[in-house]
Amino acid sequence: SQQGEEDPQALSIQEGENATMNCSYKTSINNLQWYRQNSGRGLVHLILIRSNEREKHSGRLRVTLDTSKKSSSLLITASRAADTASYFCATDRGSTLGRLYFGRGTQLTVWP
Amino acid sequence: DGGITQSPKYLFRKEGQNVTLSCEQNLNHDAMYWYRQDPGQGLRLIYYSQIVNDFQKGDIAEGYSVSREKKESFPLTVTSAQKNPTAFYLCASQYMGVGNTEAFFGQGTRLTVV
Repeated sequence: SQQGEEDPQALSIQEGENATMNCSYKTSINNLQWYRQNSGRGLVHLILIRSNEREKHSGRLRVTLDTSKKSSSLLITASRAADTASYFCATDRGSTLGRLYFGRGTQLTVWP
Repeated sequence: DGGITQSPKYLFRKEGQNVTLSCEQNLNHDAMYWYRQDPGQGLRLIYYSQIVNDFQKGDIAEGYSVSREKKESFPLTVTSAQKNPTAFYLCASQYMGVGNTEAFFGQGTRLTVV
């Protein structure tokens, strides 16, 4: 079963706009990770946020985590056409054994 | 360059054939994983291994087999028992340190049954 559920399933915006994607989960977690996948390629790690953190930044990426609501959001500011990809959240379901549980992803399209 | 390599990129299988997908990493990671991805879907775990000569079934192991004879290698065999094998297969590796860490993915193998 899918642990993370990304919302929306698809998002279409113009270059320069901000893109916000959400992820909900059902169990406790140690950390939550966001990954990006270009069409037909492998996943690339973007950012990891621990359960005791509320916000984290990396370049144009901003991730928030609300453990009370079991949700996270990924914000991409000033989006570019090159940001077009699928974005997945992944959680560990509270285990320290390393296994990750992925959601179905959000397909982001950024139009020039 | 350190990384994780999957081969081949594209693979065609006839009905009733077994095929093996290769996954090699030179990151010195202990854990390796195989995922299946269907169009518009997330990743589903097939098998994983956290140490040489040991592996565990994931959520959809039926019709698949693996081996972990070397730390660097984790091949996946798609057997004839897998009734719907057409999919995109992703291999990943992960450092098993204190706390959970990021996974590194290969570029995937697209398997098609012809």
